[in-house]
Amino acid sequence: EPEVTQTPSHQVTQMGQEVILRCVPISNHLYFYWYRQILGQKVEFLVSFYNNEISEKSEIFDDQFSVERPDGSNFTLKIRSTKLEDSAMYFCASRRDSFNSPLHFGNGTRLTVT
Amino acid sequence: AQSVTQPDIHITVSEGASLELRCNYSYGATPYLFWYVQSPGQGLQLLLKYFSGDTLVQGIKGFEAEFKRSQSSFNLRKPSVHWSDAAEYFCAVGSGGSEKLVFGKGTKLTVNP
Repeated sequence: EPEVTQTPSHQVTQMGQEVILRCVPISNHLYFYWYRQILGQKVEFLVSFYNNEISEKSEIFDDQFSVERPDGSNFTLKIRSTKLEDSAMYFCASRRDSFNSPLHFGNGTRLTVT
Repeated sequence: AQSVTQPDIHITVSEGASLELRCNYSYGATPYLFWYVQSPGQGLQLLLKYFSGDTLVQGIKGFEAEFKRSQSSFNLRKPSVHWSDAAEYFCAVGSGGSEKLVFGKGTKLTVNP
């Protein structure tokens, strides 16, 4: 069964550094998402992306964050200047088309900011 | 604003016992409701969903959930738990007007042999 793949599985970075988290959604999917889960807290929506533009974003998704689909397969989340509180598990997700189609999640990237 | 409450942080059951995981939501209109499972080191896997129609929905791995509007609940059940069901379970709510899902904090399930 096709999967959403995320790389790396674990990223350690220093505060203030830029980090790019990578995702390869399922190939025929059209809607893409990033969620994050701070340790011990809820899974939180960050952003949704459709037709090469952001369709919705949360208050968490401020100017430090950006998303891009640089080619036909990758979907990236960039954090420009990481803060300690950005440490979390970041999940990429995709779905094929309408809201009725299931959301498929990747295994996540654990980001540790030191 | 939408919200989801999973009152039980951690539940322990014996293998073969029945299971019910509680989920309460807050949303003004008819919600879209989901249960996801996360095994260690894995992503979130959809167990089942409710959009409309029959309030008792069947999912994968023998799970079912019942939507009760009067109680704003969407509890997950399984009649006989297997050791492989040990994982963390997340309830989530969505709506037709938004792309996002709002998740609960999760319930960690431990299964004793």
